Amino acid sequence: DQQVKQNSPSLSVQEGRISILNCDYTNSMFDYFLWYKKYPAEGPTFLISISSIKDKNEDGRFTVFLNKSAKHLSLHIVPSQPGDSAVYFCAASALVGGGADGLTFGKGTHLIIQP
Amino acid sequence: DTAVSQTPKYLVTQMGNDKSIKCEQNLGHDTMYWYKQDSKKFLKIMFSYNNKELIINETVPNRFSPKSPDKAHLNLHINSLELGDSAVYFCASRTGLPRLTGELFFGEGSRLTVL
Repeated sequence: DQQVKQNSPSLSVQEGRISILNCDYTNSMFDYFLWYKKYPAEGPTFLISISSIKDKNEDGRFTVFLNKSAKHLSLHIVPSQPGDSAVYFCAASALVGGGADGLTFGKGTHLIIQP
Repeated sequence: DTAVSQTPKYLVTQMGNDKSIKCEQNLGHDTMYWYKQDSKKFLKIMFSYNNKELIINETVPNRFSPKSPDKAHLNLHINSLELGDSAVYFCASRTGLPRLTGELFFGEGSRLTVL
């Protein structure tokens, strides 16, 4: 039961253009969303997050958009750079009984920036 | 001065053996996790500890036993290894409860291969 879905296993974008990575979720209890970036043989590193009370959060070249009614979020990277080539994981958080929680991850999208 | 460090990074072993993966974080965080990334690339939470106390235990076989000697360490011991245990195991940490509103810091991962 995939609660967080990234339907594009890979995405190829030319350097300098915009990269758009998409993520859908099914659990309406999710109220905090994060994007992580992962290089080969390394652990995921935090990129950007958004709370469900917002619909947009921007940090430099990275912007995350949240559409709660559609249960959809997207990560925009502009302009795309070669160092952005990595696997991007969408993750979501919901309060679980007891006051503690973890993250539910999607399968990831491999972004390839073409020179 | 790695923030979250795991050892070993690679582990190859035979079915039926018992093995451990160690994790240490020097961030002063209160909560630590073990995640498993299987062959389908899903990152799934296995355990969560807060101040040495087990908080989350997802549907993980009893052969997996986490141990937290102090809040900076969360080790994973696996008994009677099976082929399906082959995966990359990630340790992560964050600041304490109540609930996750910030990022997780991940280790580099430990790739376990069971032959």
